[in-house]
Amino acid sequence: AQSVTQPDIHITVSEGASLELRCNYSYGATPYLFWYVQSPGQGLQLLLKYFSGDTLVQGIKGFEAEFKRSQSSFNLRKPSVHWSDAAEYFCAVPNSAQGAQKLVFGQGTRLTINP
Amino acid sequence: DAGITQSPRHKVTETGTPVTLRCHQTENHRYMYWYRQDPGHGLRLIHYSYGVKDTDKGEVSDGYSVSRSKTEDFLLTLESATSSQTSVYFCAISSATYEQYFGPGTRLTVT
Repeated sequence: AQSVTQPDIHITVSEGASLELRCNYSYGATPYLFWYVQSPGQGLQLLLKYFSGDTLVQGIKGFEAEFKRSQSSFNLRKPSVHWSDAAEYFCAVPNSAQGAQKLVFGQGTRLTINP
Repeated sequence: DAGITQSPRHKVTETGTPVTLRCHQTENHRYMYWYRQDPGHGLRLIHYSYGVKDTDKGEVSDGYSVSRSKTEDFLLTLESATSSQTSVYFCAISSATYEQYFGPGTRLTVT
């Protein structure tokens, strides 16, 4: 079955520092991959997506992610974080075994920014 | 942003009462979903719809029912609310590319 693992439940970084959030997936073929962000009290917002082609994808808010098939990973990066990036981040992969365009989400990584 | 609204945004209800949450979309997307979000459990799929009157169960469907009589509306009903159904509920929509777009959520408290 498809699954997504986000190994880090909580990460703290200083404002201006670089960021990498990890995501590992289990999937039978080349997957579609997604990162979502959830600010406190808000719904989830799509940050970026990978469907095919260039393995480095750019998203909104200055984020990027790199698909590495050999490592089954899709890590999210940002070169310099801002206080407004404090949020929870979710990685997701299609649950294609059951159709209906369903996604499987990781447990999330909560990002705290130190001033 | 995708046009998705949820109502109500907040609700407090008593154990044993019925509750209906509404999700409304203006995007004409085929697929609609109801999730619940709880600390330590991430997002869990309750029910989903793949067209008008076409619905199916997700991983945590016990105690919930859904209906979709129009493309734009997807209703989630708790027939007899329990304290374990205290949660934040999110609706999402999708077209044919697996991208899901989420509503703002409904915070439900069952006392």
